Amino acid sequence: AQKVTQAQTEISVVEKEDVTLDCVYETRDTTYYLFWYKQPPSGELVFLIRRNSFDEQNEISGRYSWNFQKSTSSFNFTITASQVVDSAVYFCALSESLMEYGNKLVFGAGTILRVKS
Amino acid sequence: AAGVIQSPRHLIKEKRETATLKCYPIPRHDTVYWYQQGPGQDPQFLISFYEKMQSDKGSIPDRFSAQQFSDYHSELNMSSLELGDSALYFCASRGTGELFFGEGSRLTVL
Repeated sequence: AQKVTQAQTEISVVEKEDVTLDCVYETRDTTYYLFWYKQPPSGELVFLIRRNSFDEQNEISGRYSWNFQKSTSSFNFTITASQVVDSAVYFCALSESLMEYGNKLVFGAGTILRVKS
Repeated sequence: AAGVIQSPRHLIKEKRETATLKCYPIPRHDTVYWYQQGPGQDPQFLISFYEKMQSDKGSIPDRFSAQQFSDYHSELNMSSLELGDSALYFCASRGTGELFFGEGSRLTVL
């Protein structure tokens, strides 16, 4: 069975601090996809990144970076120089191969990030 | 670019009433997913459709039903509403890549 664990329920930082959101996953599949979504107070789910299980390269996009480590089944998300607008709930999610129809996302419980000015 | 459209965005119903949520996927996306997110919870998978056929089923109550129509839009029908059905309901669609979520329909049951 698939499972995603986000152990950090809530994190508070001061603006300009760096913050890392942890994500640990469990799956028996050799092919799978990992995602991060942002849910701001307005409620929509904003797609941030997708990684497949065969690509362990870390990725950087502006102030966002992701560290995928298959050996520890982790897919952590770091925000550098956080801003108040980063305040949101962040969800890590896991899916089996997207090449097969109907494969759903399994979400972690989410981490509430509060960035104070 | 066109996104996933959900309607209505907000809905208020009373206990035991019926509600219908609609989802219009991104053009040429053939798979639709429904998720329910209770207050302070993560989104929970309800049901999915591929090419108008149910492809997977999650924790969807028997009081709920859904279908995907010939134009690929989907409807989630909820009957005998309970207070615990109050939630944000997301629809997502997928072609051959990642899921794209709609903005959600917020159902409040009084």
